[in-house]
Order: sequence, then structure tokens, then C-alpha cells
Amino acid sequence: QVQLQESGPGLVKPSETLSLDCFVSGYSIRSGYHWGWIRQPPGKGLEWIGYIHHTGSTSHNASLKSRVTISVDTSKNQFSLKLSSVTAADTAVYYCARYGATFDLWGQGTMVTVSS
Amino acid sequence: QSILTQPPSASGTPGQRVTISCSGSSSNLGSNTANWYQQLPGTAPKLLIYSNNQRPSGVPDRFSGSKSGASASLAISGLQSEDEADYYCAAWDDSLSGVVFGGGTKLTVL
Repeated sequence: QVQLQESGPGLVKPSETLSLDCFVSGYSIRSGYHWGWIRQPPGKGLEWIGYIHHTGSTSHNASLKSRVTISVDTSKNQFSLKLSSVTAADTAVYYCARYGATFDLWGQGTMVTVSS
Repeated sequence: QSILTQPPSASGTPGQRVTISCSGSSSNLGSNTANWYQQLPGTAPKLLIYSNNQRPSGVPDRFSGSKSGASASLAISGLQSEDEADYYCAAWDDSLSGVVFGGGTKLTVL
């Protein structure tokens, strides 16, 4: 079955760049869909960060302005998130998910804390 | 402040029917379909309803969705204790060119 798994540092210092990967198993990213990131601050709701198509086209939440970079590595069947200039407000559980007009499959999520 | 508006909480007793509302605007629910996600405590969200009223394989038919204009609703009939979770609505927003979520509704089974 299709599974998504996030990986990356659980602690990032303020002003630095948060980097996460999402490995997809059971499905080739090249076959289609968009592949996205969603985050959830502690005790709060869900926020869409952005997504990428296997062709490389991307879309992201304008509220995050130019801090977001989403990329895809089809050879590794994974996609990545970089969020620059992080602050404490970026502390959250970060989820990767498959998107085809809806987020139908989700990773388990990874907690990222921004703190010095 | 979420783009889609949901009540923060809802409750019901076992066997009851409860509904959760989701209010949007012409740029999101008014022109695009509604999706609903269930988030059990300590777990990742799971797709519950897509395209307003479609259930993915494995979702019990106790869960149903509807949409009218720029508002959507999730109904849960025959409420069970395992339905206690947070529920989120979501839709594409044409003005923002992105996915928007509701603030979530915490459902308590009394």
C-alpha cells in the first residue's frame, strides 16, 4: 500500500532553515498527483503550506511568502520542504500528503520545534 | 482566523446524530467541493469525505457530507465513542490559489 514518511531534524534554531523530506513507498511520484505539506501548531488547526507536481510545478501558501521551497527527487521517490528564516511561530507538526483535489493519504507527521 | 468557519466544539450521546457545519465564501466552497478530515487524538488527519459527499473506501456510511451554496455540513449518525475526534473541512480557494482549512471542530461523545 502507499505510505508517506517524513524525516528531518526535530529542533531548528531561530533564523535558520527548516528542512524536511517525505519518502513515498508503494507508488511512483512520477505516476501523477501533487505532493504536499501541511502543518499543525501545537493545539491548533491545519495550515496548508504548499505542494509540488512530479513535473516540478509548485504552489504554496502566500502567507508564507518567499520562505517556502518545495522540491521533488523522482529518483529517490521523495519530495522535500525548506522553510527559511524560521521563528517560534513555525513550531508545529509537519505532515506530508498526497493531493489529487483532496489530501487522500497522509504521513504520520513529524514535530519540529524552533528554539535556541 | 481560518478562511472556513467551523464551530469549535460539538457533542452528542452514543447513537445520536450530530452535524458539523463549515461556512465559506464564493471563492472557496461557493465554487469548489468540500472535503472533510477526521483527526483522532495523537494521530494524523484522515480523509473522511471528498467531493462534498463521497466516502473513501473503508469509511462507514454513518458519515455523510453535503454542500449548499458556500456552506458544507458533515453528519454523523449512530454516534460511537470512537468518533470522538477533531474534524476539519477544507476546499480549494480560487482567490488565494490554495487549499484552505476550517479551524476544526472537536467532537465529544458524552
